[in-house]
Amino acid sequence: NAGVMQNPRHLVRRRGQEARLRCSPMKGHSHVYWYRQLPEEGLKFMVYLQKENIIDESGMPKERFSAEFPKEGPSILRIQQVVRGDSAAYFCASSPPGQGIGNTIYFGEGSWLTVV
Amino acid sequence: ILNVEQSPQSLHVQEGDSTNFTCSFPSSNFYALHWYRWETAKSPEALFVMTLNGDEKKKGRISATLNTKEGYSYLYIKGSQPEDSATYLCASPRTSYDKVIFGPGTSLSVIP
Repeated sequence: NAGVMQNPRHLVRRRGQEARLRCSPMKGHSHVYWYRQLPEEGLKFMVYLQKENIIDESGMPKERFSAEFPKEGPSILRIQQVVRGDSAAYFCASSPPGQGIGNTIYFGEGSWLTVV
Repeated sequence: ILNVEQSPQSLHVQEGDSTNFTCSFPSSNFYALHWYRWETAKSPEALFVMTLNGDEKKKGRISATLNTKEGYSYLYIKGSQPEDSATYLCASPRTSYDKVIFGPGTSLSVIP
């Protein structure tokens, strides 16, 4: 049973380009989270999605960032017109329907975005 | 307390020492308390999920206790080893459909 899969693991973008990060949840999981780790900072919540539905996006920057979790395919975190401050590790996590015991979530290995 | 808080922010101990740190959370409408371990350059990994007041969980040399009435959980590491070096995160979702938001973490360094 494969775990949470994220790709690409490393992505380099020039300022102004778009970055797309993908996350395939664990088999049978219906909820996806995206978190961001900025340099020297902790793990910050960005967005919480169910298939075809955004449950909570209170941690998403208001501009340039969007997320989706379509009925088919992976969840995608999209960053338009990237700036150097977007350089960070982006972690995806998933949880099963009904959230499992106490909402346990399972993390992917992260995608490291570098903006040059 | 409105958010999850953790203390201390960082901790340096000698190999073989035992140590503990604290997670504080809002005590009203408690649902669950999570502890995660996050090693550098790896992904966070769940250690414990606790739901009942007085819960005590153990995994090897690591154990955790929970007091939902006063809103705190302790994580204990007995006989710390260098491989215990990591950031320990806690989170306290308020309902079965609440998002999981982590506290700032306690960074543990175990010196050989």
